[in-house]
Order: sequence, then C-alpha cells, then structure tokens
Amino acid sequence: GENVEQHPSTLSVQEGDSAVIKCTYSDSASNYFPWYKQELGKGPQLIIDIRSNVGEKKDQRIAVTLNKTAKHFSLHITETQPEDSAVYFCAASQNHDYKLSFGAGTTVTVRA
Amino acid sequence: NAGVTQTPKFQVLKTGQSMTLQCAQDMNHEYMSWYRQDPGMGLRLIHYSVGAGITDQGEVPNGYNVSRSTTEDFPLRLLSAAPSQTSVYFCASSYGTSGNTDTQYFGPGTRLTVL
Repeated sequence: GENVEQHPSTLSVQEGDSAVIKCTYSDSASNYFPWYKQELGKGPQLIIDIRSNVGEKKDQRIAVTLNKTAKHFSLHITETQPEDSAVYFCAASQNHDYKLSFGAGTTVTVRA
Repeated sequence: NAGVTQTPKFQVLKTGQSMTLQCAQDMNHEYMSWYRQDPGMGLRLIHYSVGAGITDQGEVPNGYNVSRSTTEDFPLRLLSAAPSQTSVYFCASSYGTSGNTDTQYFGPGTRLTVL
C-alpha cells in the first residue's frame, strides 16, 4: 500500500515568515495529493490539493508543488499569521479512490 | 447544510463493552469513510463505503464493523471495546465518481476512551 512520510513533525515560525512542509510518497500510481489543516478539537479541513498533471498550484498565501519523478510534494505558506497555527496533514490517493493515505502531521506554531 | 455530523462527541467505555459511533451527511455524497487518529500517526482508514449496501475494509479494520443501509448514514460499531481502540474517530464523505472533485469533508470527531 501507499506510505506517506511527512517532515518536519513540528515547525515554529515568526509571524510574517514562510513555512514549508514536505511529504514523500511510495506508490507511483498515486495521482491526487490533498493538504488538510486541523485546528484544535476539530476535524481536518481541505486547504489545497494538486493532481499529478500539475506541477504547482497556488491559492493566495498557500501553494503546493509536486515532483512526480522524485515522488515528493510540498506545502508553502507565505506571510504566516497567528491563525495559521494548526496541525497540517498531507495525503495521497488515486483518482476517485477513497483510500487516502495520510502523513503523520506537522504542528505549525506562528510566533507573534 | 449541516455537512458531516458525528455523535457522540466524547465517550468512555469499559473493556468488552460495545457501542456504535454515528455518522451522517446531508450532501448526497456517494463515498463515506471512517478514520482513526492517534498521536504521531496521522489518520488511518478503518472502513469505507462507495455507496449504499457496499462497504470494504481499510488499513486497520480489525475490531470494527460497518454497514451502509442509506446514502446518508454510516455507523461504526465496536463489538467488544479494547484499550487499543482509544482514539479520536473521524467520519468523512465525498462525492465519489458522481462528482468532479475528490474533496473529502470531515466531521468534528468522536473522542473515545476505553478503560
């Protein structure tokens, strides 16, 4: 099955700086890569996703890059704000396959 | 739309007790899933369903049963609770093949403690 590794496990950044979280996956058949944000006491919420036919996708301060050859993808958050503090999960699956495989999560803390 | 709802929010069980975690969605989604979240391990898929009457096992199915008699509901049953099942449980749903997006929507979770 798919194995997703996520680094780092914790990340502390100064407000206004950038944060980068990296994930690698093992199954070359995976072609859908979502990122979820989980705030304390809540369920994960999708913040951005990318498919294997695209190398980069941006949504305001959030961007995701994908390197299919190397089997890794990254989340970039620019101009971090205190409300970005949360746990972030990467995941991988095949199109319309419900079996999402998640990374272990990264706890991001934005210092004021 | 209420989205994905889960009950109860918290539950404490004794070893050997049984219970059902409830999950419902009002978005007419085809796919529904159950995940468990343990510290340092992300979310792991327990069981999933691609439509009413169809269920299948995920990565960690042992000790859990599911059924899907309607599109809206997908309950998770613990037949004989064990301390290893102490976890936070999340239900999720998505459009499946009937939609043009793979986005999964998660419920707020049920925190289960087995003593």
